[in-house]
Amino acid sequence: QQPVQSPQAVILREGEDAVINCSSSKALYSVHWYRQKHGEAPVFLMILLKGGEQKGHEKISASFNEKKQQSSLYLTASQLSYSGTYFCGTEKAGAQKLVFGQGTRLTINP
Amino acid sequence: DAMVIQNPRYQVTQFGKPVTLSCSQTLNHNVMYWYQQKSSQAPKLLFHYYDKDFNNEADTPDNFQSRRPNTSFCFLDIRSPGLGDAAMYLCATSRDPGASEQYFGPGTRLTVT
Repeated sequence: QQPVQSPQAVILREGEDAVINCSSSKALYSVHWYRQKHGEAPVFLMILLKGGEQKGHEKISASFNEKKQQSSLYLTASQLSYSGTYFCGTEKAGAQKLVFGQGTRLTINP
Repeated sequence: DAMVIQNPRYQVTQFGKPVTLSCSQTLNHNVMYWYQQKSSQAPKLLFHYYDKDFNNEADTPDNFQSRRPNTSFCFLDIRSPGLGDAAMYLCATSRDPGASEQYFGPGTRLTVT
């Protein structure tokens, strides 16, 4: 079952913060985050494993709430290069494959 | 640089005419995936290979087949393309299945006329 991302689209000014959420109705083993720019392939950002860990990657970080089966991606002090569509990919325990959410389109304006 | 390569980048085929898309990798990864992505939608997994073990998704049409002759190469065959099969086809690899980073190729955009 496809995870649900929110919001579907976000428009920010450079330097503003954003939060993108990913929710699943299934018990998850891992959550992946990818960014895809128009006409390009998805690019890996980070993986979070069950255990409720939080990870960071430059000014982009994420958390995974195992109890709620939710993950959030945090983008702080956004840069123009952050524009793109963000997908979460969720893995159920034992599935060994990802199901991607519908994506969140992030637009950063100068 | 180690990478995932897809050929061709753009493919035009006629309705019902078989077409083959190819993917190669220099990462020596065990797992290779094929995804279909339609405009403004999420990538949808069609099937994947873990070494030589083929794993087909339940909702992947029989029209889609795949071959992995060796670790480096994987092919997607569409036996009788329909207009609804027009999409971007993405190949990805990972060292292990599941909780392992996936590396995507640039994709092949398929047009069916």
